[in-house]
Order: sequence, then structure tokens, then C-alpha cells
Amino acid sequence: GAGVSQTPSNKVTEKGKYVELRCDPISGHTALYWYRQSLGQGPEFLIYFQGTGAADDSGLPNDRFFAVRPEGSVSTLKIQRTERGDSAVYLCASSPGGTASGNTIYFGEGSWLTVV
Amino acid sequence: KQEVTQIPAALSVPEGENLVLNCSFTDSAIYNLQWFRQDPGKGLTSLLLIQSSQREQTSGRLNASLDKSSGRSTLYIAASQPGDSATYLCAVSKSSYKLIFGSGTRLLVRP
Repeated sequence: GAGVSQTPSNKVTEKGKYVELRCDPISGHTALYWYRQSLGQGPEFLIYFQGTGAADDSGLPNDRFFAVRPEGSVSTLKIQRTERGDSAVYLCASSPGGTASGNTIYFGEGSWLTVV
Repeated sequence: KQEVTQIPAALSVPEGENLVLNCSFTDSAIYNLQWFRQDPGKGLTSLLLIQSSQREQTSGRLNASLDKSSGRSTLYIAASQPGDSATYLCAVSKSSYKLIFGSGTRLLVRP
């Protein structure tokens, strides 16, 4: 009974480098979400996938951020030319369907990104 | 724009006390409201979900209420225990998938 798995759990990278964060959702969950959480704040929505397609990417802060989910399961969040302001915990979550109908959403433990 | 506010930001209580955490939101047009728990360095765990048509939900020592018209929710924790120490976050859903979170209340229950 695996939950949502995220790798790496911690990543330290230099400013300007490229980073990939991976999310393995609960098997069978069609909905997948990425959120970003800064210290002392609640998570902020980044992007939502229903199946393979990004149904809403309005939360991505700029075009340095991109996410894919090519086979409708594993997702990768990609950050180009990282900046110190990108330092945060990146949380992935999945659910059987959308949350409005009451489906429980399950979060992973996050990938802590530090840009130095 | 929907904004979610949680008061207090931090709370320290002795073991055994009953306590109330508050959450307010500016736009009452929501699908539902959820309360989550987050332990240090961990992800979020969903505690209670209240649909917009409901007034409250209960799970064990936890009771969450929702007053959509006034934009308020409370999480009541009965007979608090040290194991309840964590950050509690509320989130509203204005669409079928997007959650808008408050900043959380950091709870410490002292033995």
C-alpha cells in the first residue's frame, strides 16, 4: 500500500542549474497535483493533471517551470535556470478524481529544493 | 481573489485541554473545505472534508464546522494530547481540483 512517492527528498543545486523533481502517485489515481510550500506558509497550487494532460497550469510562476505526465502515472516537475527564490518544498498529491466531489487527496512528503 | 486566513498562527496548550482553531475565507462560493495536518518535514494528511452543503463533520476527537455564508470554519479538538502537536491547515476548493490554503496554525500540546 504505497502512498505518493517523491524523489529526491532533498536537493541542493547551484543558481542557474536545471532540476527535475519526480512524483509517483498512488496507483489508479487519475488526478495529480503539484504544490509549492515556502517556510511558514500554506501550499500554493502549481499545476493539475487529469490523466496525461495538464488541465490547469495557471499556478506555474513563469516559463522556467514545466511539468509532464506522459503516461498518466509518474510526473516530473522541471525547473530551468534555477533562482534562489525557487527554494521551497515541492509537494505532489494525487486523488481518484477531482476534489470537489469529495475525493480524498493524498500528499507526498515533498522534495525540499535549496538553490544556493 | 479567494483568501484564506487562519488564527491563531501558533498555539500552546497543556495536555487535556479542548481547543478551537479558526479559519476564514473571503469568497463563500466554494465546493468544500478541508482540514489537514502537517508534521514537521512531512506531507499533508487530510483530516476532515466538509462539502458546501454540510454544516459539520466529525472524526474521533475532531469536529469541524462550516458556516459558508459568513466565510468561517472551526476545527475543534477535544481532550488534546501531545501527539496532536502539528501544523493544522485549512483549504477551500473553488473548483473541482484546486485547493487554496491558509498559512496554518502551529499547535503544541505540552505534556
